[in-house]
Amino acid sequence: AQSVTQPDIHITVSEGASLELRCNYSYGATPYLFWYVQSPGQGLQLLLKYFSGDTLVQGIKGFEAEFKRSQSSFNLRKPSVHWSDAAEYFCAVGEGTYKYIFGTGTRLKVLA
Amino acid sequence: NAGVTQTPKFQVLKTGQSMTLQCAQDMNHEYMSWYRQDPGMGLRLIHYSVGAGITDQGEVPNGYNVSRSTTEDFPLRLLSAAPSQTSVYFCASSYGPDNSPLHFGNGTRLTVT
Repeated sequence: AQSVTQPDIHITVSEGASLELRCNYSYGATPYLFWYVQSPGQGLQLLLKYFSGDTLVQGIKGFEAEFKRSQSSFNLRKPSVHWSDAAEYFCAVGEGTYKYIFGTGTRLKVLA
Repeated sequence: NAGVTQTPKFQVLKTGQSMTLQCAQDMNHEYMSWYRQDPGMGLRLIHYSVGAGITDQGEVPNGYNVSRSTTEDFPLRLLSAAPSQTSVYFCASSYGPDNSPLHFGNGTRLTVT
């Protein structure tokens, strides 16, 4: 069965520092991979997605993610974090149908 | 363009009461779904629909009912509310298969006392 693991429940970084949020998935074929961001009191917003092709994908708000098949990972990165990036981040995987599996989320805190 | 609209934003129910959470989208999306979000558990799929007249169960369907009479609307009914249904509920839609990205509403926070 498919699964998604986000090993870090909470992460705290200083403003201006780099960020990497981890996501590991379990799926037999090449998955469809997503990162979503949820600001307090809001729904989830798509940051970026990977379907095929270049394994490094660029998203909105300066985020990028790299698909590494050998490690079953799709980690999210940002070179310099802004205070407005404080939010909860969800990794999700799909199998090319209507089904999506979400990770449990990583809550990001940004120190001024 | 409103996207996905959920009402109400907040609701408090007593155990045993019923209610309907509304969800409407104006993007002509085939796929609509309901998730519940609980701390430490991420999002869990309750029910979904791949088109008008077609619905199916997700991971946690017990205690919930859905119908899809139009492309735009996908209401979620709580038949007899229980404290375990205290959660934040999200409606989401997407264009079609092949895991098109989901568009989410802003959620309904439900408390059952």
